[in-house]
Amino acid sequence: EIVLTQSPGTLSLSPGERATLSCRASQNISSSYLAWYQQKPGQAPRLLIYGASSRATGIPDRFSGSGSGTDFTLTISRLEPEDFAVYYCQQYGSSPWTFGQGTKVEIK
Amino acid sequence: EVQLVESGGGLVKPGGSLRLSCAASGFTFSSYSMNWVRQAPGKGLEWVSSISSSSSYIYYADSVKGRFTISRDNAKNSLYLQMNSLRAEDTAVYYCASCRVGFPPSYWGQGTLVTVSS
Repeated sequence: EIVLTQSPGTLSLSPGERATLSCRASQNISSSYLAWYQQKPGQAPRLLIYGASSRATGIPDRFSGSGSGTDFTLTISRLEPEDFAVYYCQQYGSSPWTFGQGTKVEIK
Repeated sequence: EVQLVESGGGLVKPGGSLRLSCAASGFTFSSYSMNWVRQAPGKGLEWVSSISSSSSYIYYADSVKGRFTISRDNAKNSLYLQMNSLRAEDTAVYYCASCRVGFPPSYWGQGTLVTVSS
């Protein structure tokens, strides 16, 4: 099983600032099958990024993903008020699918 | 518009059973793999089970293997999760989610809460 470790656990930033979230895998993720989700309280997860760097339909270009192998990053270039949420990475390249424990982006 | 609507959650005693359903609309259900993902209160996401478009391939997390059964009815655009021998640690919101082969789940339902407690 591939273990995903996200850091930091909480990121305290102000609107307009840049957010950098990390996701590290315990072993190589094949074909960069790494996704990022955003989740707000009481809502289902929303797919942001798939294939490590491709934005899902309708996702603003302030969200970008990068990385390969075992190290991946989600960057939000300028935080908007609606971006404060919990973010999860997920690998879907091998069974079982696994998720990171999440990074909470909160308003400073 | 793509819609996934889960139902069947509720309060059940340890050792009991529950059957979750997910009604799909707005896309060609029979062309998509379907998945169940759960989230315990205040916790992160946990993949539970997946089923391929034609039901040829089925996968389970170790935590539910032998107790849960995933199935689908493409004629009814519906996904199911039969949960037996429920435990307190199965308490969670259960989401159904659709995906194409080689892609992560892109559409998610709003979830149904399962509470296992005496």
